[in-house]
Amino acid sequence: AQSVAQPEDQVNVAEGNPLTVKCTYSVSGNPYLFWYVQYPNRGLQFLLKYITGDNLVKGSYGFEAEFNKSQTSFHLKKPSALVSDSALYFCAVTRGTGKLIFGQGTTLQVKP
Amino acid sequence: NAGVTQTPKFRILKIGQSMTLQCTQDMNHNYMYWYRQDPGMGLKLIYYSVGAGITDKGEVPNGYNVSRSTTEDFPLRLELAAPSQTSVYFCASSYRDRDNEKLFFGSGTQLSVL
Repeated sequence: AQSVAQPEDQVNVAEGNPLTVKCTYSVSGNPYLFWYVQYPNRGLQFLLKYITGDNLVKGSYGFEAEFNKSQTSFHLKKPSALVSDSALYFCAVTRGTGKLIFGQGTTLQVKP
Repeated sequence: NAGVTQTPKFRILKIGQSMTLQCTQDMNHNYMYWYRQDPGMGLKLIYYSVGAGITDKGEVPNGYNVSRSTTEDFPLRLELAAPSQTSVYFCASSYRDRDNEKLFFGSGTQLSVL
């Protein structure tokens, strides 16, 4: 069975500092991995995906994620956080069908 | 281009009532999905459809039904509403062949069953 885990319910970071939101996955075979962001009272928005190729994937709004097969991780990163990055972030996995399995979400708080 | 539109935005139901959550998309996407979001639980897939006339169960289908008579519409039916169905419901759609994991979400329906 496929699953993803986001070990932190909340991440707090000061504006201008680097941020990391953690995700680990469990899937047999090659995973397709995704990050989505949810702003208050909105649906989820696609940020980035890893299918194959470079382990460092770049996405929207300056975010990137690093795929690490040996650690089965896909952490979301940004070099310099903005207050407007404050939102709920979801990691997701699929085997290529489009039926995504989502993690429980991590709230990112960026303080001025 | 409105994307994915869900109605209503909010609804309160009494136990045992039924209702239909509407979802329509104008992007000509083949794939459509219904998810529910509960605090601290992420999103769980209820039902999905790969095209008109084709639907299939997701992780948590019990208590729900769907239909897909057109490419654009994918309504979710709740029969005999129960408090456990209190949740935020999201409809989503995606392309069939390219980027089918890039889902486009509606803004959600907040449902309370009392």
